[in-house]
Amino acid sequence: AQTVTQSQPEMSVQEAETVTLSCTYDTSESDYYLFWYKQPPSRQMILVIRQEAYKQQNATENRFSVNFQKAAKSFSLKISDSQLGDAAMYFCAYRRAGGSEKLVFGKGTKLTVNP
Amino acid sequence: GAGVSQSPSNKVTEKGKDVELRCDPISGHTALYWYRQSLGQGLEFLIYFQGNSAPDKSGLPSDRFSAERTGGSVSTLTIQRTQQEDSAVYLCATLLNPSTDTQYFGPGTRLTVL
Repeated sequence: AQTVTQSQPEMSVQEAETVTLSCTYDTSESDYYLFWYKQPPSRQMILVIRQEAYKQQNATENRFSVNFQKAAKSFSLKISDSQLGDAAMYFCAYRRAGGSEKLVFGKGTKLTVNP
Repeated sequence: GAGVSQSPSNKVTEKGKDVELRCDPISGHTALYWYRQSLGQGLEFLIYFQGNSAPDKSGLPSDRFSAERTGGSVSTLTIQRTQQEDSAVYLCATLLNPSTDTQYFGPGTRLTVL
């Protein structure tokens, strides 16, 4: 079974600084997707960034970028120029490609942004 | 609608009562998932619907949990004889194309069983 591990229950960063959240996963599949979701106190899960495993290029979305290391099964999220609105729970998730595959989530990292 | 909606936003019930949680998917999205998020935990898959196919119920924790999706649109998650360990946030997610697309989540229902 696939598993996703987030080893940092909590992280903090100063406003305008950069922070990296870690995620590792375990799978025997070669084709899959990886995601980072943000969950603010409102509970709404918001997609931050998505990576297809077959793509070597790391995904980027404005201030958010990932470091995808397929061989190491690592998928970290880098947030640049951190803003107060970035404070939230961040979840790393895995989904096998094809069909009706469900998302498998890590337990999350709580990010605090200090002014 | 513009996004996935869920109702009620919060539900408090007494142990042993039945509850129904509702999910309205994004218009046109044929795939629908239910997840459970217990305190301090990640999301746990419960059940999946895709079109007219038989649902994937492999994540339901017990036979007290059931779900249906009428007309390929609205879905209801029912928990019978609720227990305190059922207290959690129940999240619904939908997507257009299960093979390639990203799941979009509703705001969830926070269930508290006293």
